[in-house]
Amino acid sequence: QSVLTQPPSTSETPGQRVTISCSGSNSNIGRHTVDWYQHLPGTAPKLLIYANNQRPSGVPDRFSGSKSGTSASLAISGPQSEDEADYYCAAWDDSLNGYVFGTGTKVTVL
Amino acid sequence: EVQVVDSGGGLVKPGGSLRLSCAVSGLTFTDAWMSWVRQAPGKGLEWIGRIKSKGGGGTIDYAAPVRGRFTISREDSENTLYLQLNSLREEDTAVYFCTWVGREPSIMFSWGPGTLVSVSP
Repeated sequence: QSVLTQPPSTSETPGQRVTISCSGSNSNIGRHTVDWYQHLPGTAPKLLIYANNQRPSGVPDRFSGSKSGTSASLAISGPQSEDEADYYCAAWDDSLNGYVFGTGTKVTVL
Repeated sequence: EVQVVDSGGGLVKPGGSLRLSCAVSGLTFTDAWMSWVRQAPGKGLEWIGRIKSKGGGGTIDYAAPVRGRFTISREDSENTLYLQLNSLREEDTAVYFCTWVGREPSIMFSWGPGTLVSVSP
């Protein structure tokens, strides 16, 4: 069972804003930066956001990340059909001495 | 561009062993930190472990569920990463991904396509 908790699913219409939460603790998000990955089943996951709010080259600017205390959020402004995927937050955990993924959130664009 | 290609998956019986390989190009592998991640059917992503570069100390960290059974190693002269899977259990059935850690502590910038390991009697 993951130590980072995300809502199982969320849906939104194109043009609206999707926000995915990631709740952790002082041993992970509270002490380390948060990363976000996008995963379309059957393909390789893709790094979407790293170090809380940095976008790797090629990631559209409609994706943004933020962190406050022991929680983090990923926002998709104006989601598009190709954004339908599973999204995972991740962070280093000092208690586990390892990198942990969140429980994952399935995003549906209606 | 960094290219990561994992391979070696297959069907194995409980208690058996398997070695996965990962060929990496597009970077100085000697300086690269690498990780393995897996996804069991119907489940989320699970970090397995990370190996630092020799220059970075060469430390290897493992997730608790695989510690003592799985071994990560590297052959820098061949730009290849390995994952040795021993004492396999049915719950180890998953797609295994090799990844390039582009930034500490384990931020994975490039991923292989994945290789399926099935553990079944």
